[in-house]
Amino acid sequence: QSALTQPASVSGSPGQSITISCTGTSSDVGGYNLVSWYQQHPGKAPKLMINEGSKRPSGVSNRFSGSKSGNTASLTISGLQAEDEADYYCCSYTSSSAYVFGTGTKVTVL
Amino acid sequence: QVQLVESGGGLVKPGGSLRLSCAASGFTFSDYYMSWIRQAPGKGLEWVSYISSSSSYTHYADSVKGRFTISRDNAKNALYLQMNSLRAEDTAIYYCARDTSNSLARWGQGTLVTVSS
Repeated sequence: QSALTQPASVSGSPGQSITISCTGTSSDVGGYNLVSWYQQHPGKAPKLMINEGSKRPSGVSNRFSGSKSGNTASLTISGLQAEDEADYYCCSYTSSSAYVFGTGTKVTVL
Repeated sequence: QVQLVESGGGLVKPGGSLRLSCAASGFTFSDYYMSWIRQAPGKGLEWVSYISSSSSYTHYADSVKGRFTISRDNAKNALYLQMNSLRAEDTAIYYCARDTSNSLARWGQGTLVTVSS
């Protein structure tokens, strides 16, 4: 199972919106509404930000939103803040009953 | 509150074995699937294995199949990962996580495994 494809880096100024893409296949992203997104600050454990493609767990800011079109899922961060600077990973359930993570995206707040 | 605490990491020689543990608290452990995920130094996340709530079903990444075994003890609220035939490429921080709706909702802080001679 190959890793899902994410851009290596995305940047934006405070207050702007950015979108991170996550491209897979019909055997993972495109086949299920089971994409999740994780935020990881340096030296910390990942934190769930979006599950089932677009659902925000309790406590996650509504500045984070998820969507999907075909084999590509997306995470949008609106009103970018300094604290959003982190690594972000998508993850999908697969037809092999496994999970596959994305390659990861470093978000920089300019 | 939900807490997951991994232990058992350390330095091991190639070909050696190690058993990781994850102590769970703050939720009904026996209700949830659990997973292990790893992250090599400076690299991305890699899902390793999951186990169903009653241990009836397990699944592994191809990279560890046949070498790693996941298990749990619901009476002790504990998750385990037995790692055999370790290789240098198994060097990573290993996280345990609670699976909710096919997402990894809660994570521990991780335990570092280093495979080196």
